[in-house]
Amino acid sequence: KNQVEQSPQSLIILEGKNCTLQCNYTVSPFSNLRWYKQDTGRGPVSLTIMTFSENTKSNGRYTATLDADTKQSSLHITASQLSDSASYICVVSGGYQKVTFGIGTKLQVIP
Amino acid sequence: DAGVTQSPTHLIKTRGQQVTLRCSPKSGHDTVSWYQQALGQGPQFIFQYYEEEERQRGNFPDRFSGHQFPNYSSELNVNALLLGDSALYLCASSLAYGSEQFFGPGTRLTVL
Repeated sequence: KNQVEQSPQSLIILEGKNCTLQCNYTVSPFSNLRWYKQDTGRGPVSLTIMTFSENTKSNGRYTATLDADTKQSSLHITASQLSDSASYICVVSGGYQKVTFGIGTKLQVIP
Repeated sequence: DAGVTQSPTHLIKTRGQQVTLRCSPKSGHDTVSWYQQALGQGPQFIFQYYEEEERQRGNFPDRFSGHQFPNYSSELNVNALLLGDSALYLCASSLAYGSEQFFGPGTRLTVL
């Protein structure tokens, strides 16, 4: 069964600190992995997308890594800001647009 | 480019009623997918439409149905609403053979 597991489920950090979110998946075949940021009550917005051959991809203060051998990905947020407070969802695409969503990590950045 | 738009933003219905949600895809996109996201959960795939036909379907009952129009916009219909249907309904558009989906802002449905 295709699954995407994220950890931690929730996280509270101080403004300015760094944090790392984890994503493990069992989706096969694998096409790509995306990280989305979802503000409460809004639609998800894409942060990064990585294919099998990509190990790391950055988008400003967001850096995603992918280890396709161990089927693990991480999202590192540098110098967090209050506006980073949101849910971060890992989404893995398999063949022919089959997508599997994780339940997300809820991040809260406090002053 | 307006991106993916959805209407209405919020909706309140009572049990047993029927509801129709609407989605306009991003310009140039021809595939629309619908998701249900319960509070505190990740989105769950309902179905996907391409060329006005349902191409894939998730594990949702027949009470959930959809339609895609020639201009690629789409509707999600839910009949005989249950309390458990209360959720954020997300529409995502993409190209037929492209895998990146762009999401709309969602419609918040509350069933009383």
